[in-house]
Amino acid sequence: SAVISQKPSRDICQRGTSLTIQCQVDSQVTMMFWYRQQPGQSLTLIATANQGSEATYESGFVIDKFPISRPNLTFSTLTVSNMSPEDSSIYLCSGRLAGTGELFFGEGSRLTVL
Amino acid sequence: DAKTTQPNSMESNEEEPVHLPCNHSTISGTDYIHWYRQLPSQGPEYVIHGLTSNVNNRMASLAIAEDRKSSTLILHRATLRDAAVYYCILNSGYALNFGKGTSLLVTP
Repeated sequence: SAVISQKPSRDICQRGTSLTIQCQVDSQVTMMFWYRQQPGQSLTLIATANQGSEATYESGFVIDKFPISRPNLTFSTLTVSNMSPEDSSIYLCSGRLAGTGELFFGEGSRLTVL
Repeated sequence: DAKTTQPNSMESNEEEPVHLPCNHSTISGTDYIHWYRQLPSQGPEYVIHGLTSNVNNRMASLAIAEDRKSSTLILHRATLRDAAVYYCILNSGYALNFGKGTSLLVTP
């Protein structure tokens, strides 16, 4: 199994600022992903974090708004840039271990933008 | 990924079995059937997955129809801790695309 830790667990931010969320995995995962969960909604995939190269974004998400880094197999960051109240969501990091079908998730980072 | 259809909500009594259905009539031959659940205020957690044969683990059983167009997640004895949103997801790639899931209410 894998344990995924996210920081911060929650934050309140001002409109127009940016926040970087960190994700640390205790095992080497082959794949890492970032999801968003808006209030009362299901999870939406933002992007696949690729080690040492640019992330692969899903339709509706762009690098300028959600820059992602993954410098090694166990760490990734997601930045929410130029935030607006519509960005208030829970952001979740997940990872897949090699040779398994399971995705492991962090507890999420709850972001409130005022 | 192919689409899945689940009931919005279900209710069960504690200590009774629960059968959560999922329809996936457009499933392809390479799609695995995954089930995850999300407890309140937590990230999703893996429950079970399978391809063609029924699967059992410590959490649940997965019954897959012979034509693979539907599946059922079986919780053998529901507990209050099993109250969660259960997601049925088809996947043949790397990431999982979550639908709306079934919200399971367990009553004492």
